[in-house]
Amino acid sequence: KQEVTQIPAALSVPEGENLVLNCSFTDSAIYNLQWFRQDPGKGLTSLLLIQSSQREQTSGRLNASLDKSSGRSTLYIAASQPGDSATYLCAVSIYNNNDMRFGAGTRLTVKP
Amino acid sequence: DAGITQSPRHKVTETGTPVTLRCHQTENHRYMYWYRQDPGHGLRLIHYSYGVKDTDKGEVSDGYSVSRSKTEDFLLTLESATSSQTSVYFCAISGTEDQPQHFGDGTRLSIL
Repeated sequence: KQEVTQIPAALSVPEGENLVLNCSFTDSAIYNLQWFRQDPGKGLTSLLLIQSSQREQTSGRLNASLDKSSGRSTLYIAASQPGDSATYLCAVSIYNNNDMRFGAGTRLTVKP
Repeated sequence: DAGITQSPRHKVTETGTPVTLRCHQTENHRYMYWYRQDPGHGLRLIHYSYGVKDTDKGEVSDGYSVSRSKTEDFLLTLESATSSQTSVYFCAISGTEDQPQHFGDGTRLSIL
């Protein structure tokens, strides 16, 4: 059974710092991996989707990498801002997006 | 934001009562999903639908049933609610099983 782990559960950084969020998964036979953002009281917003054949995806200040062989993905946030404060979740799909397995998330606080 | 409306947004009910949650979309998307989010567990898929009257079970389907009689509406029913079903329930939609899902803002359900 695919299990997804995100460590740490919470992270606090000063504004302007570059940071890395981690996601690990137990089964390397994945279809894709996604990173989501969740604001308090809201649903999830998809940030980046990496297909199993890809190594990384970039969107603005965000860069996500995927290493299937080691069962790891990282989300790099450059020049963090207070508006980046949210919970970030990763999710792994095995066959398609009908079977996503989510991590519990990392709650990020960026202090002004 | 994708046109997804969940109702009600909050509900408190008693053990043993039936509960129905509604997800309504205006995007004409084929796929609709119900998840629950609990502390320490991330999101877990309950049921999903791939068309009118076409549904399938997810990871945690026991105690839940769903129906989809129209493209725009996906209902989640707890036939006899239990305290273990206290959670935040999210609906999501997507055009295909490969596209990122768009999430509603959730329904907070408390069963006393």
